[in-house]
Amino acid sequence: NAGVTQTPKFQVLKTGQSMTLQCAQDMNHEYMSWYRQDPGMGLRLIHYSVGAGITDQGEVPNGYNVSRSTTEDFPLRLLSAAPSQTSVYFCASSLLAGGPGEQYFGPGTRLTVT
Amino acid sequence: DAKTTQPPSMDCAEGRAANLPCNHSTISGNEYVYWYRQIHSQGPQYIIHGLKNNETNEMASLIITEDRKSSTLILPHATLRDTAVYYCIVRSANAGGTSYGKLTFGQGTILTVHP
Repeated sequence: NAGVTQTPKFQVLKTGQSMTLQCAQDMNHEYMSWYRQDPGMGLRLIHYSVGAGITDQGEVPNGYNVSRSTTEDFPLRLLSAAPSQTSVYFCASSLLAGGPGEQYFGPGTRLTVT
Repeated sequence: DAKTTQPPSMDCAEGRAANLPCNHSTISGNEYVYWYRQIHSQGPQYIIHGLKNNETNEMASLIITEDRKSSTLILPHATLRDTAVYYCIVRSANAGGTSYGKLTFGQGTILTVHP
């Protein structure tokens, strides 16, 4: 298994541009989520999904959209990039959201918005 | 979810056991204790979790006190590759809304393993 993969690894955007961060997992996990990590802020949950066709907001969803058309993929879209969205983005997945068990994280996408 | 308190940093000699403490005095009965680590620039990595019994896997052991107010992660034979930030997380299995599935990462403990 490849686990959780994320592309691209690095990205530089200009303010106002849009882009999609890709996330895929090959473990048939129901639950997928997106976090952002900023210095001194820890990881904060952006959006999550409990299965194909079902998504919901986390604690910092503004400026981001998600969709879950398949079990494997959970892309994160930045609608109009802002410098405040400069961060490291991690995608995670797990078999079940609420139950005990491990969440698997991807390697991250480092985004800079100028 | 209950708040956790960890020391900001610890050192350990290579080959020795690393014992990382975590205080979670406000933990409630349905909350699990999870440990993750993050090696520089990588995504967090799951280590182990438990509810009230001690747990062991190929990576580590988790010792939870009888009153569940604190726990200790033990890396039995630390290597240089174990240098990372270690996060103790308490999470309810029943969290809903914007917290569904969410892991709350605090500041963690920076473990430095030296030769």
